[in-house]
Amino acid sequence: DGGITQSPKYLFRKEGQNVTLSCEQNLNHDAMYWYRQDPGQGLRLIYYSQIVNDFQKGDIAEGYSVSREKKESFPLTVTSAQKNPTAFYLCASSIALGGGYNEQFFGPGTRLTVL
Amino acid sequence: RKEVEQDPGPFNVPEGATVAFNCTYSNSASQSFFWYRQDCRKEPKLLMSVYSSGNEDGRFTAQLNRASQYISLLIRDSKLSDSATYLCVVKEVKGGGNKLTFGTGTQLKVEL
Repeated sequence: DGGITQSPKYLFRKEGQNVTLSCEQNLNHDAMYWYRQDPGQGLRLIYYSQIVNDFQKGDIAEGYSVSREKKESFPLTVTSAQKNPTAFYLCASSIALGGGYNEQFFGPGTRLTVL
Repeated sequence: RKEVEQDPGPFNVPEGATVAFNCTYSNSASQSFFWYRQDCRKEPKLLMSVYSSGNEDGRFTAQLNRASQYISLLIRDSKLSDSATYLCVVKEVKGGGNKLTFGTGTQLKVEL
């Protein structure tokens, strides 16, 4: 079955610790994205990648880092510099970043809670 | 002004009712438009794209008014299973690339 997987589903972290969220897709999509969702707010773009070994900051990149060493994988690291890391993190992918009606497919998400 | 604005609801409607959601966007250069559906504590999933001429998919009808920068979603004969949050999504050119901007969502509760 083609799709996007994220792990873990729930993650608890102590303040001051870095943590890495996994995102893998087998849809052969070039573009991948990371969003965070907070209650009462729309999804906000953290980072995106159009191609392997290339990625761009989104609207709220501070305190986050990413890598794109393989087409299938786009892990997100939440660093201790992120002031309010508790949120629902969603990974997505699409055929390409370009215009038109390219659908973004989302993974099931990771709920991160900082204790 | 928010880039994509929606009434948060919740809209509580009886089964079988017709319900309409509205959405406005601020960037007149926006290119593409979508409605996504998000169930509680789940990921968003594409419900339908919104085309300039308007489009229909079964009980769902989407309309776009570029002059007024307004998008709508109409659900006819609503079912219990339609209960979810509906996200208005706009694709726009920004910083040399294309990005999706999500509204905060409108919550629908269909009741017996």
